[in-house]
Amino acid sequence: DQQVKQNSPSLSVQEGRISILNCDYTNSMFDYFLWYKKYPAEGPTFLISISSIKDKNEDGRFTVFLNKSAKHLSLHIVPSQPGDSAVYFCAASAIRGTSYGKLTFGQGTILTVHP
Amino acid sequence: DGGITQSPKYLFRKEGQNVTLSCEQNLNHDAMYWYRQDPGQGLRLIYYSQIVNDFQKGDIAEGYSVSREKKESFPLTVTSAQKNPTAFYLCASSPSSGTYGSPLHFGNGTRLTVT
Repeated sequence: DQQVKQNSPSLSVQEGRISILNCDYTNSMFDYFLWYKKYPAEGPTFLISISSIKDKNEDGRFTVFLNKSAKHLSLHIVPSQPGDSAVYFCAASAIRGTSYGKLTFGQGTILTVHP
Repeated sequence: DGGITQSPKYLFRKEGQNVTLSCEQNLNHDAMYWYRQDPGQGLRLIYYSQIVNDFQKGDIAEGYSVSREKKESFPLTVTSAQKNPTAFYLCASSPSSGTYGSPLHFGNGTRLTVT
């Protein structure tokens, strides 16, 4: 049972344009969401997060949007740069219930930014 | 520099042998986690520990065992009972006993190949 889903395995974008990565979740107990970036043969690094009391969080070129009614979040990268090419993972956790104390990850989306 | 150290980076074992993956952190974090990454499946939680001398099974604990005798160390043993042990294994830690509000910090992983 995949509680966090990233339905696009890959995304290709031109340098300078916007990259939009999507994530859907099914567990209504999730109330904290994170995006991680991962390069090959390395561990993921934290990028940006959002709690369920907000619908938007911005950090430089990265913005995360949360639509709780649709159980959907997205990561926008503007402008995209070749160094952004990596695998992006969406993750979710809950303050209570069986998902407390652990992160559940999506399958990841491979972003390629072309010069 | 504080961080998480996983060793070795590459590990090769024959089928039927148990193998232990090392994870050490000097971040003074209470919680530690083991994830497994397989192509197309994202990161799946194997075991996690919120405090010394205590740990819980994650989503795919069968065929694995852990110990948490020291705050800094959380070794993972892949036993011969694990049917598909070849994977990329990631160790992580977080400051508090839950991940809510506390992004995970990851090591650089160990790639285990069992033949």
